[in-house]
Amino acid sequence: EAGVAQSPRYKIIEKRQSVAFWCNPISGHATLYWYQQILGQGPKLLIQFQNNGVVDDSQLPKDRFSAERLKGVDSTLKIQPAKLEDSAVYLCASSPLRDTRTTNYGYTFGSGTRLTVV
Amino acid sequence: EDKVVQSPLSLVVHEGDTVTLNCSYEVTNFRSLLWYKQEKKAPTFLFMLTSSGIEKKSGRLSSILDKKELSSILNITATQTGDSAIYLCAVRHAGKSTFGDGTTLTVKP
Repeated sequence: EAGVAQSPRYKIIEKRQSVAFWCNPISGHATLYWYQQILGQGPKLLIQFQNNGVVDDSQLPKDRFSAERLKGVDSTLKIQPAKLEDSAVYLCASSPLRDTRTTNYGYTFGSGTRLTVV
Repeated sequence: EDKVVQSPLSLVVHEGDTVTLNCSYEVTNFRSLLWYKQEKKAPTFLFMLTSSGIEKKSGRLSSILDKKELSSILNITATQTGDSAIYLCAVRHAGKSTFGDGTTLTVKP
């Protein structure tokens, strides 16, 4: 089974520039999550999709961050304009809608995108 | 506000030592507690705990949940340098997961 794919792996941009990240979840996984992990901290949920609908975006800074999952498969996360404090690793994860067989709800992370804003 | 707190923040031990990592939580509608190991970027799943007092074990790693104390511990026995990583605790509640800030474990040869 292929894992969660993310690109790019690394990105360095200047503040006030725009950036976009892409995530392709595990095939058949209905739920997709974007997390922000600042150095020294745990992952913080930015947005959760179920199919192509938003379940939770309460911690997404909507003035500069946006995300979409138009066809209920892959997703993009955009930051416009970026600030220095957006420097972090952006992790994408996916899980099946309901899978009581697996011991972690099939929750699988991608390798992340490390963003540096200078 | 939902909160997951891990301790210690960091730990340095020598190979062969036994370590205990702690996770405490204050959340609404607790469903389960999960432990992850993060070496490079992607956290990898270790354990999921839903019932108090039942130990989950995998090789040298084991974990147990105490719902009365709202906490969990992760034990690693006979540590190896390959155990060096950040260990993350996450609590699933109300349809989402809240992570702690992790414990950074360094195992020296």
